[in-house]
Amino acid sequence: ETGVTQTPRHLVMGMTNKKSLKCEQHLGHNAMYWYKQSAKKPLELMFVYSLEERVENNSVPSRFSPECPNSSHLFLHLHTLQPEDSALYLCASSPVQDSSYEQYFGPGTRLTVT
Amino acid sequence: GQNIDQPTEMTATEGAIVQINCTYQTSGFNGLFWYQQHAGEAPTFLSYNVLDGLEEKGRFSSFLSRSKGYSYLLLKELQMKDSASYLCAVRDSNYQLIWGAGTKLIIKP
Repeated sequence: ETGVTQTPRHLVMGMTNKKSLKCEQHLGHNAMYWYKQSAKKPLELMFVYSLEERVENNSVPSRFSPECPNSSHLFLHLHTLQPEDSALYLCASSPVQDSSYEQYFGPGTRLTVT
Repeated sequence: GQNIDQPTEMTATEGAIVQINCTYQTSGFNGLFWYQQHAGEAPTFLSYNVLDGLEEKGRFSSFLSRSKGYSYLLLKELQMKDSASYLCAVRDSNYQLIWGAGTKLIIKP
């Protein structure tokens, strides 16, 4: 049990669908992150939230829309995705943003766009 | 640009020792992390180095040389369960985490 849960674990969607990924952390952390992990590539940071405020958006296409309703929950809303968006989407949290603390990761959502 | 280099794949034998190298070129340095990721699972934290030298944690050790932009993860007494990907990440001067692509370690009996 990592303390960070993600649902669904697997998702197949068409390019015209709208879906949402959910992340929940039970660690009392103040910072949460969305990453994209593609095969044989480094983790790509997508979004950072600190105390429910978005503090970073790394040039992510607008078809990805994050939402952080409270410090324990993070969503990633998906619409009109492309096949190249197929990847593992990882959520992570840390006690505070930009510190020496390690990040705690969820198991990820394996997304396939058809 | 910022870059983290680590071997794509390594193979080792159960009971042996393996060293996974990581070299980095980043704008500043505020610590280096190693994570382990089993297939289909979350990355989990292994070690953190911010000063030069060796940090030992049981069978796993991590070494850092800031002047050389170099780190390694040393795994001793390898077990089959050590088969996983090992991710190196460096925190730069802006406290951003720069990630390597990971090293897939295959353990053979």
